[in-house]
Amino acid sequence: QSALTQPRSVSGSPGQSVTISCTGTSSDIGTYNSVSWYQQYPGKAPKSMISDVTKRPSGVPDRFSGSKSGNTASLTISGLQAEDEADYYCCSYAGSYTWVFGGGTKLTVL
Amino acid sequence: EVQLVESGGGSVQPGGSLRLSCTVSGFTFSYYWMHWVRQAPGKGLVWVSLIYSDGSGTNYADSVKGRFTISRDNSKNTLYLHMNSLRAEDTAVYYCARDSHYQIDSWGQGTLVTVSS
Repeated sequence: QSALTQPRSVSGSPGQSVTISCTGTSSDIGTYNSVSWYQQYPGKAPKSMISDVTKRPSGVPDRFSGSKSGNTASLTISGLQAEDEADYYCCSYAGSYTWVFGGGTKLTVL
Repeated sequence: EVQLVESGGGSVQPGGSLRLSCTVSGFTFSYYWMHWVRQAPGKGLVWVSLIYSDGSGTNYADSVKGRFTISRDNSKNTLYLHMNSLRAEDTAVYYCARDSHYQIDSWGQGTLVTVSS
């Protein structure tokens, strides 16, 4: 199973919006709505930010939103803040009880 | 509060074995599927293995199939990963994680496994 494709890096200024894409195939993102996003600070464990393509777990700011179109999922962060600077990973169920992650995107807040 | 605490990591020579443990609290362990996910130094997250809530079913990434075994003891609220025939490329932080509706919703802090001669 090949990893989902994410841009290696994105950047934005405080207050701006950024979108991170996550491209898979018809065998994963294109078929299943079990798409999630995780935030990870250096040396720390990942944290769930989005599940089921669009749902935010309790405590996650509504500045974070998710969407999907075809084989591509996206995470949008609006009103960018300094503390949003982190690595972000997408993940999709890929059928047959397997899962696939994206390669990760480093978000820099300028 | 949901907590997952991994242990058992360390340094091992190529070809060696190691057993990781993950003790959980704050939720009913026996209700949930559980995963292991790993992250090589400076690299991304990679799914490793899944086990059903009652242990009746398991699955593995191709890269570890036949070498790693996932198991659980619901009476001890503990998840395990038995790793045999370890290779340099297995060097990573290993995270245990809870599944909710085919997605990971909670993570442990991770335990580092280093395979080197």
